Amino acid sequence: SQTIHQWPATLVQPVGSPLSLECTVEGTSNPNLYWYRQAAGRGLQLLFYSVGIGQISSEVPQNLSASRPQDRQFILSSKKLLLSDSGFYLCAWSRGQGSNQPQHFGDGTRLSIL
Amino acid sequence: KNQVEQSPQSLIILEGKNCTLQCNYTVSPFSNLRWYKQDTGRGPVSLTIMTFSENTKSNGRYTATLDADTKQSSLHITASQLSDSASYICVVSPPRAGNNRKLIWGLGTSLAVNP
Repeated sequence: SQTIHQWPATLVQPVGSPLSLECTVEGTSNPNLYWYRQAAGRGLQLLFYSVGIGQISSEVPQNLSASRPQDRQFILSSKKLLLSDSGFYLCAWSRGQGSNQPQHFGDGTRLSIL
Repeated sequence: KNQVEQSPQSLIILEGKNCTLQCNYTVSPFSNLRWYKQDTGRGPVSLTIMTFSENTKSNGRYTATLDADTKQSSLHITASQLSDSASYICVVSPPRAGNNRKLIWGLGTSLAVNP
């Protein structure tokens, strides 16, 4: 069976510090990978998605970047965090083809910027 | 105005009772409509996916219905359990969205099941 791991579960960082959140998927190959942010009172916002190694598409301009160094590894980064980067970050995967594929989410990282 | 509106915003029911959550959408046409369950502090879990041609889909005690004419979907929970306490999110996929890129997420209904 497939599993998705995200870490850390919670993170408190000062403004201006760097960020690295990691997500790995097991039990499947060539998945589509996604980074979402969920803010209180707002729907999930897609930040990045990837259909393969090194292929990253950004959905919204922001202070964050993503990388996919391996097939089942997805990393969310920032060089300098802003207060507005606080939120609940979710990684997800889905099978490669078709628009009817469900997304499977990790348990998220709660990021607080001080 | 959100393209996916859910009601009620929150709901409290007693254990063992049934409930129905509503989702109204303006996305038309659409490829599929999904319901997710999200426990507090966890990631969403897929409950059902319905294409535009499907009217109903069940997953255990969860039954989703879809009326494409009125652009409404509902999620019915039967014989609720304490573990059903969660946020339930309606998601619509526009046509030709490809790779889940353009999903439109509702804000969710927060359900509390009390003993």
